[in-house]
Amino acid sequence: QQQVKQSPQSLIVQKGGISIINCAYENTAFDYFPWYQQFPGKGPALLIAIRPDVSEKKEGRFTISFNKSAKQFSLHIMDSQPGDSATYFCAAKKAGSARQLTFGSGTQLTVLP
Amino acid sequence: NAGVTQTPKFRILKIGQSMTLQCTQDMNHNYMYWYRQDPGMGLKLIYYSVGAGITDKGEVPNGYNVSRSTTEDFPLRLELAAPSQTSVYFCASSRLPSSGAYEQYFGPGTRLTVT
Repeated sequence: QQQVKQSPQSLIVQKGGISIINCAYENTAFDYFPWYQQFPGKGPALLIAIRPDVSEKKEGRFTISFNKSAKQFSLHIMDSQPGDSATYFCAAKKAGSARQLTFGSGTQLTVLP
Repeated sequence: NAGVTQTPKFRILKIGQSMTLQCTQDMNHNYMYWYRQDPGMGLKLIYYSVGAGITDKGEVPNGYNVSRSTTEDFPLRLELAAPSQTSVYFCASSRLPSSGAYEQYFGPGTRLTVT
């Protein structure tokens, strides 16, 4: 059972464009929603995260938009750069858990120069 | 400060062999995790530990065992390797909660092939 659904599976964007990756969840017990970035041959690294009491969080060119009623959240990368080319994973944590994360299936982003 | 280190980086096993994937963290984190990553499937939690001597199963524990005798080390044991265990394995750690800090720090991974 996939509790966090991520789309698209792959995304190609021109340099300077906006990259948008979407995730949807069903479990209302989730209380923390991070995005991880993974470069080839490396482990994932935390990019940005949001709690459900906030509708938007911005850090530099990266923004999370969160829609609690629709149970959806998305990552927006503004002014996308070739160095942003990586795989992006959304994730969710259940309230009261030992910080176990449920990951989406990942989006491979390619930013063309 | 090396963070989370994993050994080996690569390994080829024959069906039925056993091996231990090593994971060490030097950040004094209480929580440690093992994930496997398969193409197009994201990361699946195998086992996790909330402190030395305490471990619990994740989503896909069958065919694996863990132990946590120290805060720093969290080895993953594969008994009777099967082709279905061909994957990339990641170890991760995180600190006790503080102001909602839930970040997990990942190691570089071990690529395992079972043939």
